[in-house]
Amino acid sequence: QSALTQPRSVSGSPGQSVTISCTGTSSDVGGYNYVSWYQQYPGKAPKLMIYDVSKRPSGVPDRFSGSKSGNTASLTISGLQAEDEADYYCCSYAGSPVVFGGGTKLTVL
Amino acid sequence: EVQLLESGGGLVQPGGSLRLSCAASGFTFSSYAMSWVRQAPGKGLEWVSAIGGSGGTTYYADSLKGRFTISRDNSKNTLYLQMNSLRAEDTAVYYCAKDLRPLTTVITVFDYWGQGTLVTVSS
Repeated sequence: QSALTQPRSVSGSPGQSVTISCTGTSSDVGGYNYVSWYQQYPGKAPKLMIYDVSKRPSGVPDRFSGSKSGNTASLTISGLQAEDEADYYCCSYAGSPVVFGGGTKLTVL
Repeated sequence: EVQLLESGGGLVQPGGSLRLSCAASGFTFSSYAMSWVRQAPGKGLEWVSAIGGSGGTTYYADSLKGRFTISRDNSKNTLYLQMNSLRAEDTAVYYCAKDLRPLTTVITVFDYWGQGTLVTVSS
């Protein structure tokens, strides 16, 4: 169970778009449409933002979107806002059952 | 409203044991698989263990090597994690998390998380 690979940090200015990548293998990201994304503020529990690659739970702004190509999934945040500054984790079913990415710190400049 | 409330964390010596609990409310507990996910200080999320709704199916991260046991009491709407032979590297906040989809043992998405309980393994 190797962790999925995410960039350690990304940044963007308010109003811009940022994309966070999540690279796995054909045994996890590439093999199933069960990629999810979680937002976590310091000292708080994670919050589900995207599931099944591109579905948004009720209440999550449509500024958040997900996609996948091959073994790499992506989370895109458009119209960046100050409150989007947080850590983001991807997660994929791997038959074992799940594996997380190492996390990406999003900084809003 | 779905609520998950963990308890049982604390300071334990290396080699010791601890049992975590997660009290659930606001949903039909027995219909959903549940997981434990941990986060070491300053580190990322690590899935630890999962259990199906009936309790008959369990999963564990390979790294645990049989030291942890997950269980549930559906009559009490409570999830447990028995942790034995604890090591310094088990120090983390432990979260319980509910699976999105009912009536499946395929663990894929966590739609609700508790606030976490801190386990510190140190002499």
